[in-house]
Amino acid sequence: DAGVIQSPRHEVTEMGQEVTLRCKPISGHDYLFWYRQTMMRGLELLIYFNNNVPIDDSGMPEDRFSAKMPNASFSTLKIQPSEPRDSAVYFCASSLKEGQNSNQPQHFGDGTRLSIL
Amino acid sequence: GNSVTQMEGPVTLSEEAFLTINCTYTATGYPSLFWYVQYPGEGLQLLLKATKADDKGSNKGFEATYRKETTSFHLEKGSVQVSDSAVYFCALRGSADGLTFGKGTHLIIQP
Repeated sequence: DAGVIQSPRHEVTEMGQEVTLRCKPISGHDYLFWYRQTMMRGLELLIYFNNNVPIDDSGMPEDRFSAKMPNASFSTLKIQPSEPRDSAVYFCASSLKEGQNSNQPQHFGDGTRLSIL
Repeated sequence: GNSVTQMEGPVTLSEEAFLTINCTYTATGYPSLFWYVQYPGEGLQLLLKATKADDKGSNKGFEATYRKETTSFHLEKGSVQVSDSAVYFCALRGSADGLTFGKGTHLIIQP
């Protein structure tokens, strides 16, 4: 079974450039999540989608960040313009529709390690 | 809001030692609790979970019991192996759908 697929695995770019991170969730999953991981702040939820619709974007740090999910099999997280403090590992995760007990696990991709110089 | 606190690392143990990684949480209502493990260069993998009080999650020799009275979900393993070296994250899911993670505990097992 293919898991959550993220690309690229590594991205190094200069500040001010636009960065686009990509994610393919597990087929059939209804939820898609974007997380950011840094040493200082740990793992933070940025935004999540249910059936391609953004539900909660309160974790998106600034207007420079935007996320889209044009269809059930693809999502992007875009940073424009990028800044050095955006350097982090960005994870995408997907899960099935929540049951009554909200115990569906999230399946994570391997992440994109982003470095902004 | 929801929060998860777990012990600071790194935690360094010898092979076959007993492991405990403490985790406590703050949440309204009745959250589900999870432990995820992250190996170097990889994403997080679900290790175990518990959805209600007194549930015990277990997998690969690891166990954690959902203790509502102490708002804790401590991770334990009786005999660790070098291959258990990784970063371990305690997490909860409350009424919202996203996970709230602890900062992670880096575990190092020495032969």
